[in-house]
Amino acid sequence: GENVEQHPSTLSVQEGDSAVIKCTYSDSASNYFPWYKQELGKRPQLIIDIRSNVGEKKDQRIAVTLNKTAKHFSLHITETQPEDSAVYFCAASLNNDMRFGAGTRLTVKP
Amino acid sequence: DTAVSQTPKYLVTQMGNDKSIKCEQNLGHDTMYWYKQDSKKFLKIMFSYNNKELIINETVPNRFSPKSPDKAHLNLHINSLELGDSAVYFCASSQEVLGTGELFFGEGSRLTVL
Repeated sequence: GENVEQHPSTLSVQEGDSAVIKCTYSDSASNYFPWYKQELGKRPQLIIDIRSNVGEKKDQRIAVTLNKTAKHFSLHITETQPEDSAVYFCAASLNNDMRFGAGTRLTVKP
Repeated sequence: DTAVSQTPKYLVTQMGNDKSIKCEQNLGHDTMYWYKQDSKKFLKIMFSYNNKELIINETVPNRFSPKSPDKAHLNLHINSLELGDSAVYFCASSQEVLGTGELFFGEGSRLTVL
């Protein structure tokens, strides 16, 4: 089955800096790659997603890039703010099966 | 007005007991799931149902039995609870079959087995 690796497991940045989280997946047939944000004690919520026919997608301060050849995708957050502090999960889906990465705990220091 | 609601939110019980968690979605989605999130925050799929039919059944002990009376409900029953079952269980739903649409999660049910 699909295997998703996510790095780093923890990330600490200063407010205003950029944050990058990277994921790799194992099955080249995966076609959907969402990113979820989970604040402490809350449910995971979708923040951005990308499909395999697109290389990059941007939504305000958040962007995701996908490299199908290398089988990796990344989340970029610019101008980070303290409210960006949370656990971020990447996921990859194949044949009705969505697998999550292990998560990255992002801390934005004011 | 909650899209995906699950009850109870907290559950504390003794080893060996049987417990159930209920989930309901009012989004009209066809597919529902159960995920387990352990203390290290890892999100692992357990089951998924599409229109009341089981489509994903991960390597989960037989003590866990999902039931979907209709496509808006997916309940999880756990028999003979063990310490390792302590986790947060998330119900989720999506419009398309898993893999092509956004997952909407419930608030989670924190199960503590003593």
